[in-house]
Amino acid sequence: GQQLNQSPQSMFIQEGEDVSMNCTSSSIFNTWLWYKQDPGEGPVLLIALYKAGELTSNGRLTAQFGITRKDSFLNISASIPSDVGIYFCAGPYYGGATNKLIFGTGTLLAVQP
Amino acid sequence: EADIYQTPRYLVIGTGKKITLECSQTMGHDKMYWYQQDPGMELHLIHYSYGVNSTEKGDLSSESTVSRIRTEHFPLTLESARPSHTSQYLCASSEASKGEQYFGPGTRLTVT
Repeated sequence: GQQLNQSPQSMFIQEGEDVSMNCTSSSIFNTWLWYKQDPGEGPVLLIALYKAGELTSNGRLTAQFGITRKDSFLNISASIPSDVGIYFCAGPYYGGATNKLIFGTGTLLAVQP
Repeated sequence: EADIYQTPRYLVIGTGKKITLECSQTMGHDKMYWYQQDPGMELHLIHYSYGVNSTEKGDLSSESTVSRIRTEHFPLTLESARPSHTSQYLCASSEASKGEQYFGPGTRLTVT
């Protein structure tokens, strides 16, 4: 079945550093979504990408839809302590039902003040 | 303000009890979903609904059941809770034509 692999699994950085994480798949996706989840809360949608090559920003966050449609990248610039959390990529698949999402394995981000 | 709500946020119950986890959304979305997530792990789809009177099993087998009598309401029921049901349960909704799903805050269930 389809799988989304995220890397790195975890990152421990200093406040102010930039962060990069990515998500890869063996299958093509037509939409890429990036979510952030704080401990004990539900995931919050950060960025949605709809077109191969698309680059979209949301404040200090920038995400790109890979040209091959099999990967996506999320960058966070000038990290701050509230960026701590787990970042998930996700993509809809159409195996008999639309709008079902596959979630990546997640990247845990820790930011030291 | 349009939003998605889940109650209770935390629940600790004994084995064998029947429970219902509530989920409501005020966004007018046709599609709703239930996910199960262990701490720090991926989300696994256990139920989804295209609209009123429509419910389907997700990718992860679950002993829970769901109902969709009203568009805004998608409750999940466990007839007899067991310790293996201990997990976080997340509800989500989406517009019919879009891939983005919006999540509630989750219910953390502990069965003793």
